[in-house]
Order: sequence, then C-alpha cells, then structure tokens
Amino acid sequence: DIVMTQSPDSLAVSLGERATINCKSSQSVLYSSNNKNYLVWYQQKAGQPPKLLIYWASTRESGVPDRFSGSGSGTDFTLTISSLQAEDVAVYYCQQHYSTPYTFGQGTKLEIK
Amino acid sequence: EVQLVESGGGLVQPGGSLRLSCAGSGFTFSSYDLSWVRQAPGKGLEWVSGISGSGGSTYYADSVKGRFTISRDNSKNTLYLQMNSLRAEDTALYYCAKEGDAFDIWGQGTMVTVSS
Repeated sequence: DIVMTQSPDSLAVSLGERATINCKSSQSVLYSSNNKNYLVWYQQKAGQPPKLLIYWASTRESGVPDRFSGSGSGTDFTLTISSLQAEDVAVYYCQQHYSTPYTFGQGTKLEIK
Repeated sequence: EVQLVESGGGLVQPGGSLRLSCAGSGFTFSSYDLSWVRQAPGKGLEWVSGISGSGGSTYYADSVKGRFTISRDNSKNTLYLQMNSLRAEDTALYYCAKEGDAFDIWGQGTMVTVSS
C-alpha cells in the first residue's frame, strides 16, 4: 500500500499570509503513460464532507479560488494557499489516486493565528 | 445538480450486519466508478471499497475484505455496501463518492455505530 504522510499536523497562519502543507508518498504516484501525478487535495470543513480542491497534483477543480495551488511530482507535493481567508479554516487531506487501496494523508488542521 | 445521498446507517451490535445505500442523480450513473470512504469520529479519511461503472470490478481495503461487499444497481442509480461481521472499529461516518481522477462528488454520509 502507498503510505501518505502530511506535514505539519496542524498549522496556524495569519489572515492574508501564505499557508503551505506538504505531502509525501511512500512511492511515486506519477503515471508514466500520461505523465500525470495522481495526487489529490481535499478540504474538509467542520461537519461537512470533503471537497475536491486539486487533482493531478496541480489542476484546480472548477470553482476553486485561485489562491489555492498545488505543486510537486513523484513523491513530494505541496498545497499552497497564497493569502489565507477566514473561510479556509479546515482540515486538508492529500490522497493518492494512483492505485487501490487509495490512501489518504492523516490530515493537516489549518487555523487562523 | 450532481448529487449522492446515502442512507441505511444506524446502531448495530458487534457481529451484526447492515446494508448502506447511495442514490445518485444528475449524472450518467453507470458511466462512473464509485467508492465508499469512511471517517471514524474525530479521525481521518479511509477508503473502504470501490466498484467500476459496470459493476464488473470491485476493490476492498484489507480492513474490510471478506466482511463487506460492494455492489450497484445501475437501473436504480444506486450503490450499496453490505456490511457483515461488524466490529467496533467499523464505527464511522460512511460517505459514497463519485470517481473521476479523484473523488469529485461526495454525499453527506450515513453514520454507522457498532456497539452493544
């Protein structure tokens, strides 16, 4: 199974500042046939189901604000929120969609400082 | 509007059974793979099981293999999860999710509590 590890476990950032969350997979999630990284980011607000933010490591889902961006390849990935807004308070999860069993990181709780 | 609505959760004793359902609407149900993902209270997300659009291929996490069975009825736009031999550690909010290159649509979840 591919193990997904996020860092940090929690993060407090001031409004308007940059937030960065890291995700590392135990093996590459780069699919060589199409050169796409099957790495996904979700946002989960309290009492709600997860919401898809980014897939293929860096492609923003329709309707997701452009302050959210994803980067990385192979085994190391980053989610960046360029200017934190109050509504971004949530738990963020990375997930590999490369192979079953699909696996998630443990989550990063993002709060306002 | 694309929507998934789960039902069937509840309180069950250890060793008991439960069948969850997930009704889809707003998309061509049979064209998409679907999965069940669960979240224990206060914990992270765990993929449980997945099924291809036709229903011909199924996949399970090791933690549920041999106890849970995923199926779908494309004529009813409904996904199922038959859960047998339930354990306390199966207590969780169970989500169904539509698959593309990610889980792009999630239901609101149905709660399963395994307790005596």
